[in-house]
Amino acid sequence: DTGVSQDPRHKITKRGQNVTFRCDPISEHNRLYWYRQTLGQGPEFLTYFQNEAQLEKSRLLSDRFSAERPKGSFSTLEIQRTEQGDSAMYLCASSRGSGTGGNQPQHFGDGTRLSIL
Amino acid sequence: AQSVTQPDIHITVSEGASLELRCNYSYGATPYLFWYVQSPGQGLQLLLKYFSGDTLVQGIKGFEAEFKRSQSSFNLRKPSVHWSDAAEYFCAVAFSGTYKYIFGTGTRLKVLA
Repeated sequence: DTGVSQDPRHKITKRGQNVTFRCDPISEHNRLYWYRQTLGQGPEFLTYFQNEAQLEKSRLLSDRFSAERPKGSFSTLEIQRTEQGDSAMYLCASSRGSGTGGNQPQHFGDGTRLSIL
Repeated sequence: AQSVTQPDIHITVSEGASLELRCNYSYGATPYLFWYVQSPGQGLQLLLKYFSGDTLVQGIKGFEAEFKRSQSSFNLRKPSVHWSDAAEYFCAVAFSGTYKYIFGTGTRLKVLA
């Protein structure tokens, strides 16, 4: 169990630029989640994959955001035309599971901190 | 709407003192309950979880939590706090049929030597 890996750890970019983050889940986990955490707040759910299928997206995930998990392994989160309000920590998590329900604990990576200049 | 409340934003305790962090949720059915800890600049580490059964659950690092259905609470406790416990603690819930966690706003713990 090597843990959930996220890359990069930090990203600084100018407003209007596109950014892409990568998440490598724990190898045997088929579920993958993205959350966003702003200063002083708890993480907020963005989206969820089971294998390669994106099964749920939050209203927080505007049209500028897109997430993929093409082969059911790693995932990418892209933000187009970044805005000041996108500055946050983006956390990826993974878990085992089949069927319905959130009863499998999610294991989190160390996150990617995005700063918009 | 489903929500999680952590009423204490900051808590300061002396090393060796006992600790209780509060968590309340609003939802009709019993959710799955979790406590996570986050050190600065790091991700979240799972401390413990409750799915069903015994309402007192033990976790890592000497933490325990008690689920009280009548109070919709899942408070985290530790009998003797160590300086290394200083961090931010998040309560999270997940509801049957969904996969996303709903997190509280967190409680920042400071430990005095």
